[in-house]
Amino acid sequence: AQRVTQPEKLLSVFKGAPVELKCNYSYSGSPELFWYVQYSRQRLQLLLRHISRESIKGFTADLNKGETSFHLKKPFAQEEDSAMYYCALRTGTSYGKLTFGQGTILTVHP
Amino acid sequence: DVKVTQSSRYLVKRTGEKVFLECVQDMDHENMFWYRQDPGLGLRLIYFSYDVKMKEKGDIPEGYSVSREKKERFSLILESASTNQTSMYLCASSPVAEWFDEQFFGPGTRLTVL
Repeated sequence: AQRVTQPEKLLSVFKGAPVELKCNYSYSGSPELFWYVQYSRQRLQLLLRHISRESIKGFTADLNKGETSFHLKKPFAQEEDSAMYYCALRTGTSYGKLTFGQGTILTVHP
Repeated sequence: DVKVTQSSRYLVKRTGEKVFLECVQDMDHENMFWYRQDPGLGLRLIYFSYDVKMKEKGDIPEGYSVSREKKERFSLILESASTNQTSMYLCASSPVAEWFDEQFFGPGTRLTVL
């Protein structure tokens, strides 16, 4: 069965410091991975998807199939990055089912 | 702009009550999902529906049922609410398309069962 693990419940950094949110997955097929973000008092929304290989709000994430990881990185954190971040795995069905990790609360201090 | 709305932002019910959580989307999406969100556990899929009157169990369906009589509306039903069903409930929708992979979420309903 598929599984997504985010080992850090809480992550605190100072503004301008690099940040890395860890995500590991287990899945026997070809994975599609995503990061979703929930800012305070806002609804959960897609941040980025691995297939796009894009940078959104300065964040990037690289799929490492050898290590089964999809860590989210930003070189210089900003206070507005403070939020709950979820890593999610789509298992290739047409219904678009997602398996989410436990979530990491990122706090960026001034 | 995709809009997913949920009938209540906050709900307080008593143990044993039958509870209905309603979700409506306005983008003609085929897929709709119900999750519960708990600290330290993340989002867990309760049920999903890929068409009117079609439904499939997710990872934690026990104690819940769903109804999808119209394409835009997906209801989550707690047949007999229990205190361990106190949680934040999120509804989401997405279209059926291999190339489209984003789920759009509602604002959530925080349910407290006393």
